[in-house]
Amino acid sequence: GQNIDQPTEMTATEGAIVQINCTYQTSGFNGLFWYQQHAGEAPTFLSYNVLDGLEEKGRFSSFLSRSKGYSYLLLKELQMKDSASYLCAVRVDRGSTLGRLYFGRGTQLTVWP
Amino acid sequence: DAGITQSPRHKVTETGTPVTLRCHQTENHRYMYWYRQDPGHGLRLIHYSYGVKDTDKGEVSDGYSVSRSKTEDFLLTLESATSSQTSVYFCAISESNRGPLNYGYTFGSGTRLTVV
Repeated sequence: GQNIDQPTEMTATEGAIVQINCTYQTSGFNGLFWYQQHAGEAPTFLSYNVLDGLEEKGRFSSFLSRSKGYSYLLLKELQMKDSASYLCAVRVDRGSTLGRLYFGRGTQLTVWP
Repeated sequence: DAGITQSPRHKVTETGTPVTLRCHQTENHRYMYWYRQDPGHGLRLIHYSYGVKDTDKGEVSDGYSVSRSKTEDFLLTLESATSSQTSVYFCAISESNRGPLNYGYTFGSGTRLTVV
């Protein structure tokens, strides 16, 4: 199976910066996704990395190192509405699992005023 | 937004009864997935489909079956519901599974199922 690890919980204050890490061990790796999920709602897409480096999208950035099996999601200028669970997912392209996503357990972020 | 709807949104059922959840999409996407989400486990794949009448098992398929007779509908059936199947069920769709582009998933709003 796939081994995807991320912290269970994190807290931060409004206006701060927080980094959520994700490590993975998998064969057939072909991209890493970050999703945001508010309580009681569906996961929504945040970012996608397939090459090494940083992808920036407004207040959110995502980094990938394929050689280290490591990614992080960086959230800047935190707002209360950023309180949510953040899911790391790896795409596996290998045989019958072509294109499938495997999810970590999610990191619950709480933003305090 | 991708047109994907799940029904029902909430359901309470008794142990031993069959239950069918429906996922409907209007995007004509080929790939559809059923996940369950439980505290401490994250999203786990139950079954998936790569096209009409083309389905396969995921990691937690025991006690579940699926059918896809039309591109737009993917049905998940709990053959005889048990309390361990109390969960939130998400359907997801994907445009493709090939290429270097961002072919992630779009999720439905979920079905909260309680088996008593």
